[in-house]
Amino acid sequence: NAGVTQTPKFQVLKTGQSMTLQCAQDMNHEYMSWYRQDPGMGLRLIHYSVGAGITDQGEVPNGYNVSRSTTEDFPLRLLSAAPSQTSVYFCASSYFPGYEQYFGPGTRLTVT
Amino acid sequence: AQKITQTQPGMFVQEKEAVTLDCTYDTSDQSYGLFWYKQPSSGEMIFLIYQGSYDEQNATEGRYSLNFQKARKSANLVISASQLGDSAMYFCAMREGPGNQFYFGTGTSLTVIP
Repeated sequence: NAGVTQTPKFQVLKTGQSMTLQCAQDMNHEYMSWYRQDPGMGLRLIHYSVGAGITDQGEVPNGYNVSRSTTEDFPLRLLSAAPSQTSVYFCASSYFPGYEQYFGPGTRLTVT
Repeated sequence: AQKITQTQPGMFVQEKEAVTLDCTYDTSDQSYGLFWYKQPSSGEMIFLIYQGSYDEQNATEGRYSLNFQKARKSANLVISASQLGDSAMYFCAMREGPGNQFYFGTGTSLTVIP
């Protein structure tokens, strides 16, 4: 099993550009989530999904969209990138909501 | 109010000694879960240990144990017999609410000294 995979590993965007961070898992996990990690602030939940077709907002959802058309994939879309979205983004999944989460390797995003 | 508080930004421990990393939490839910994750300098997040709010015994996983004191709302991680490879950031997290949302603390940086 590959576990949780994320692409790209690194990305530089200009202010106003849009892009999609990809996340996939091959463990048949129901629950998937996106976090951002900023220095000194720990991880903060952006959006999460408890199954295909179901998504909900986390702590810091503004400026981000998600969809979950399959169990395996959970892409995160930045609609119009801002410098405040410079961060490391982690995707995670768990077998069931509330169970321990397994994390992808992260995407380091810089918005200039 | 912060859901998870980790008051030790940095800790040092001698190799082979035990170390306790502090974590306090804030919730009004009866059902919740507490987790510890390790983040080495390579950046990945590694799950270490879990404690459910209804578990009466403290969780243990190898050299890791979770000192769960429900009345004090604390969930401290104890690492026994520290190894050089334990040097990393450690994050305490809680899941709560109908959506089982996760909240993370700001982390503690642990350095193991040879």
